[in-house]
Amino acid sequence: AQSVTQLDSHVSVSEGTPVLLRCNYSSSYSPSLFWYVQHPNKGLQLLLKYTSAATLVKGINGFEAEFKKSETSFHLTKPSAHMSDAAEYFCVVIPLSRAGGTSYGKLTFGQGTILTVHP
Amino acid sequence: DARVTQTPRHKVTEMGQEVTMRCQPILGHNTVFWYRQTMMQGLELLAYFRNRAPLDDSGMPKDRFSAEMPDATLATLKIQPSEPRDSAVYFCASGLVLGPTAPQYHEQYFGPGTRLTVT
Repeated sequence: AQSVTQLDSHVSVSEGTPVLLRCNYSSSYSPSLFWYVQHPNKGLQLLLKYTSAATLVKGINGFEAEFKKSETSFHLTKPSAHMSDAAEYFCVVIPLSRAGGTSYGKLTFGQGTILTVHP
Repeated sequence: DARVTQTPRHKVTEMGQEVTMRCQPILGHNTVFWYRQTMMQGLELLAYFRNRAPLDDSGMPKDRFSAEMPDATLATLKIQPSEPRDSAVYFCASGLVLGPTAPQYHEQYFGPGTRLTVT
């Protein structure tokens, strides 16, 4: 079974400083992983996804994530935080279902990390 | 710019009343998901459909909740009778899921949500 753990429920940074949002996963198979962002009173938006083509994945708004199999991690980073980055971020693992099942397509969400950016 | 739409965006109702939430998935997507988000429970999957057929509604209270897809352009979530504990934001998401062997493509596109308040 797959699961995902976001290690921090809240992260607070100053504008212009680096952002690190931590995510660890467990998976019996080679996982597929996403990060979603949710701004206040909005729906979730895909930030980036790991597709096994490259371990360093670039997303929108200057965010990146690096897949590290040895550490079972998929941490989200940004070199310089902006006020508009204040939001909740969700790490997501996608189960790889056996052929013939119907449960594929569901996402397993982490509990979320709220990012606060101070001026 | 294709988007998932949801109506209404906000709903305030009294306990015992019926509530119907509607979702229009992105044209061409074959999978539709209903989620509920609360501060206490986070994001919960209530039900999902593939090619309009319900695949899993185990996350839904069966006695009062029902989800349907009368056609490919409309998904509905009904609560009857509503209770104060149903107060939450309900999200619809859609995606194009072609099979279990390429989970890296199972991204979901979220609507803006329906904020439900039951008094």
